[in-house]
Amino acid sequence: EVKLVVSGGGLVQPGGSLTLSCAASGFTFTSYAMNWVRQAPGKGLEWVSYISGGSSTIYYADSVKGRFTISRDNAKNSLYLQMNSLRDEDTAVYYCARDVRGVLKYFDFWGQGTLVTVSS
Amino acid sequence: DIVMTQTPLSLPVTLGQPASISCRSTQSLVHSDGNTYLSWLQQRPGQPPRLLIYKISNRFSGVPDRFSGSGAGTDFTLKISRVEAEDVGVYYCMQTTQFPPYTFGQGTKLEIK
Repeated sequence: EVKLVVSGGGLVQPGGSLTLSCAASGFTFTSYAMNWVRQAPGKGLEWVSYISGGSSTIYYADSVKGRFTISRDNAKNSLYLQMNSLRDEDTAVYYCARDVRGVLKYFDFWGQGTLVTVSS
Repeated sequence: DIVMTQTPLSLPVTLGQPASISCRSTQSLVHSDGNTYLSWLQQRPGQPPRLLIYKISNRFSGVPDRFSGSGAGTDFTLKISRVEAEDVGVYYCMQTTQFPPYTFGQGTKLEIK
């Protein structure tokens, strides 16, 4: 059974830092690209970042570029999002999502999400 | 960036009646490989999104056949043939043809009348 367990959310002051983790199980982690997607309270979905299976390709949304860093440890089956210089507008539930590439190109499994609140 | 626009944003439906959601993209979603990478996601209250449909019209594993997708190019539709209580939630279209960035529609909230 595919499982993605997200952790690391919490309350942080503006300008602060936080690291999110996504623990994967039930599949060959290194074979899949992964993404972070966020959802501000009462709002829609916003793609945040992408990392390929071997970490050779990384992309960020313009809204987080230069502040967030995506990484993965395939030996630990884990995905990370290091978030620095946090702003009020980064407040959201953050999801990790498995990315099936090739001729399918869809997000087939999502973690349950973790809430990040940026507030003084 | 490709902008995805959904209509309506709110959809009250009577149980057992059909429902339809439209999604329009600002650019064609036909990939250079000839496929069109348009997905539909369902997000029930308090839950993460769940994949329903991929490549316009393919139902993901375990998705009931009352859900169907159609369309081409820039115009796409999700249909529910007979709405059930468990279908309440927000539905998103999503394009994965051109990235970065991946982009989503604003979401359509389906509720029971």
